[in-house]
Amino acid sequence: QQQVKQSPQSLIVQKGGIPIINCAYENTAFDYFPWYQQFPGKGPALLIAIRPDVSEKKEGRFTISFNKSAKQFSLHIMDSQPGDSATYFCAASPLGNTPLVFGKGTRLSVIA
Amino acid sequence: IAGITQAPTSQILAAGRRMTLRCTQDMRHNAMYWYRQDLGLGLRLIHYSNTAGTTGKGEVPDGYSVSRANTDDFPLTLASAVPSQTSVYFCASSDTGGPKNGELFFGEGSRLTVL
Repeated sequence: QQQVKQSPQSLIVQKGGIPIINCAYENTAFDYFPWYQQFPGKGPALLIAIRPDVSEKKEGRFTISFNKSAKQFSLHIMDSQPGDSATYFCAASPLGNTPLVFGKGTRLSVIA
Repeated sequence: IAGITQAPTSQILAAGRRMTLRCTQDMRHNAMYWYRQDLGLGLRLIHYSNTAGTTGKGEVPDGYSVSRANTDDFPLTLASAVPSQTSVYFCASSDTGGPKNGELFFGEGSRLTVL
């Protein structure tokens, strides 16, 4: 059973566009929702994270929107750049020592 | 600061052989993890350890074993490799009690091909 469903699998946008990646979860015990960014040949790295007490969090050009009632969260990248081309993973976990569960990833290509 | 060091970077292995992937961290994180990454399947947890001396099974533990004799090292062993274990393996660590509770720090990965 996939605990975190991520879509789309791949995404191509023009430079300056706003790609949106969506994730949905079922486990109501989840209360930590990070996004990881992975460049080819590298390990994933934390990009931005949110807890369910807020509906939105911004860090630079990256924004997480969180809808607790719908059990969905999404990543928006404002003014996307070719350097944002990477694979993005959403994830979720309960607080404490339970490991993160990852979505299947979205391969983003930003073309000039 | 090196962070997470994985070895080998890549390896081609004959089916049936034993293989140990090494992982060392220098951040004194209490928790460590092994994930495998396969195209279209994302990152799947194999085994984890919340603290030295303890381990737990993840989503896809079959065919793999781990040990956590100390804080810094978390080797992953394939007792008898099979072609379905061809993958990129990522080791990660986190300080679950610290200010960045929950943030995973990943190594660069070990690409394993089983023929």
